[in-house]
Amino acid sequence: EPEVTQTPSHQVTQMGQEVILRCVPISNHLYFYWYRQILGQKVEFLVSFYNNEISEKSEIFDDQFSVERPDGSNFTLKIRSTKLEDSAMYFCASSKPGTVNNEQFFGPGTRLTVL
Amino acid sequence: KQEVTQIPAALSVPEGENLVLNCSFTDSAIYNLQWFRQDPGKGLTSLLLIQSSQREQTSGRLNASLDKSSGRSTLYIAASQPGDSATYLCAVTRGTGGFKTIFGAGTRLFVKA
Repeated sequence: EPEVTQTPSHQVTQMGQEVILRCVPISNHLYFYWYRQILGQKVEFLVSFYNNEISEKSEIFDDQFSVERPDGSNFTLKIRSTKLEDSAMYFCASSKPGTVNNEQFFGPGTRLTVL
Repeated sequence: KQEVTQIPAALSVPEGENLVLNCSFTDSAIYNLQWFRQDPGKGLTSLLLIQSSQREQTSGRLNASLDKSSGRSTLYIAASQPGDSATYLCAVTRGTGGFKTIFGAGTRLFVKA
């Protein structure tokens, strides 16, 4: 069964460094998403992406963040200058509007630790 | 601004019991509502999705209902098993403009053998 994959599973970085989190969505899906979950807190929406542009973004998704679909299979989240409070689990998801009403399928997540 | 609330926050039941998890949302202009399961330290597994025009969906021992006008959804789990122990998340997606999904804080379920 097709699934969303994410790499790396765990990323440790120093405050102020740039990180890129990678996702491979399900191949025939058209919508892509990033979420984050700070330990012990809710899953929070960051951004949705469709047709090579941002469709929606939350207040959290400021200029520090960017997303890109650099090729036909990868979807990336870049955090430009990491802060301690960026430590969280980051989930990628994908969906295909028009089938089963846009059911979202999630990857296993990347745990980001900022020191 | 959409807010999603889940009650109870935690629930402990003996094996075999039927149970109901509740989700409420403040803005009824939704595209769909999705229930997920999250095991500790893991990703999210989709359980059921209800379209905004539907009233309920069933999958095995799970049944989810949606009352959009009152802003409520319930997840019914029949004959609970220890393997059902997990956190259950309710997520509401808005469809005006792009898709934006808001999650509740979840109900942590423990089923005792």
